[in-house]
Amino acid sequence: EAGVTQSPRYAVLQEGQAVSFWCDPISGHDTLYWYQQPRDQGPQLLVYFRDEAVIDNSQLPSDRFSAVRPKGTNSTLKIQSAKQGDTATYLCASSLWDRGPNTEVFFGKGTRLTVV
Amino acid sequence: GDSVTQTEGQVALSEEDFLTIHCNYSASGYPALFWYVQYPGEGPQFLFRASRDKEKGSSRGFEATYNKETTSFHLQKASVQESDSAVYYCALGEWGSALGRLHFGAGTQLIVIP
Repeated sequence: EAGVTQSPRYAVLQEGQAVSFWCDPISGHDTLYWYQQPRDQGPQLLVYFRDEAVIDNSQLPSDRFSAVRPKGTNSTLKIQSAKQGDTATYLCASSLWDRGPNTEVFFGKGTRLTVV
Repeated sequence: GDSVTQTEGQVALSEEDFLTIHCNYSASGYPALFWYVQYPGEGPQFLFRASRDKEKGSSRGFEATYNKETTSFHLQKASVQESDSAVYYCALGEWGSALGRLHFGAGTQLIVIP
């Protein structure tokens, strides 16, 4: 079974540039998450979807960040005008919605973003 | 809001030593608790979970017991190996919604010296 696939693996930008991250979840998983992981910190949820619907994007800096999942499968996270403080690894994850104790969340390898 | 505290930022042990990594949580409801492990260049990997008081989760020789009274879920292993070197994250999940809504601690880097 293929895991969660993310691309690119690395990105280096200057401040003010835009970047997009792409995620392909595990086939059949209806729930998709984007996490931000600053260096030496735990992952922090940015946004998550059930199918194509946004369930919670309250932690997404909406003025510069956007995320879509138009067909309920792949997803794109975009940063419109990057800042140095956006330097982090961006992790995509997927799972099946609300399987109770048997829910397991699978993470991709992440995209490491450096903004200089 | 819900949160997780890991006391140790880094733990250095010799092979075959006993491991404890402390995890305490704060939650308004009755969360599920998790341990994840992350290797360099990889995303976090699920280790195990517990979803009710006094339940023990375990995997690969690691174990932790859900303690609602002390709001703790400490990770232990009787005898660590060099291959256990990684960053370990304690996390809590919101029960009743998609359990992927995970709140992670800051992580504990485990270094095992051969």
